[in-house]
Amino acid sequence: EIVMTQSPATLSLSPGERATLTCRASQTIDNFLAWYQQKPGQAPRLLISYASTRATGVPARFSGSGSRTEFTLTISSLQSDDFAVYYCQHYFEWPFTFGPGTTVDIK
Amino acid sequence: QVQLQESGPGLVKPSQTLSLTCTVSGVSLSGGGFFWSWIRQRPGKGLEWIGYIYNSVSNYYVPSLKSRTTMSVDTSTNQFSLKITSMTAADTARYYCARGYGDYTSFFFDSWGQGTLVSVSS
Repeated sequence: EIVMTQSPATLSLSPGERATLTCRASQTIDNFLAWYQQKPGQAPRLLISYASTRATGVPARFSGSGSRTEFTLTISSLQSDDFAVYYCQHYFEWPFTFGPGTTVDIK
Repeated sequence: QVQLQESGPGLVKPSQTLSLTCTVSGVSLSGGGFFWSWIRQRPGKGLEWIGYIYNSVSNYYVPSLKSRTTMSVDTSTNQFSLKITSMTAADTARYYCARGYGDYTSFFFDSWGQGTLVSVSS
């Protein structure tokens, strides 16, 4: 099973700042990496697939990059709506697994 | 626009079987092309994929739950279901149904239900 790790666990930033979240896989997953946003009491929402392809309706301030084992989600300028938990998920092989999440909270 | 909605009991006794249903609207389950999945989130924890069912006949369950899990599809009601036997407190979680988009061996989850909280307690 591929183990996904995320860092940092918590990121405390102010609105307008840039957020950089990292996700690492225990072995290569090519670009089979998705990012999700989850707000309290809500289901996760797909943001990014194939490491860098934004889902429909996702603002351009969200961007994904990386390949093989190291990936980054960048939020260029945090809006109030962006404070949430972010999960990465690989879909390279079964079983698909998620990272433990990064909480982006207001500083 | 696809929508998913979970339903089922909020409380299950230890050793009993959990049965959940996901009602899908906006897309026909008989049409194929998607991988209908269940994902759970234990309190304060991350997300855990349970498995998927495809076209009523193809499925995969994660090894840790394989011996206790069954998924099925009812195309007449456009629903798919999850059964987990021998429930314990460790199975207490919010259970989500989700649509997998991609191909047979690699897909991500592009639509999710709101989730249903299942507690295991006597």
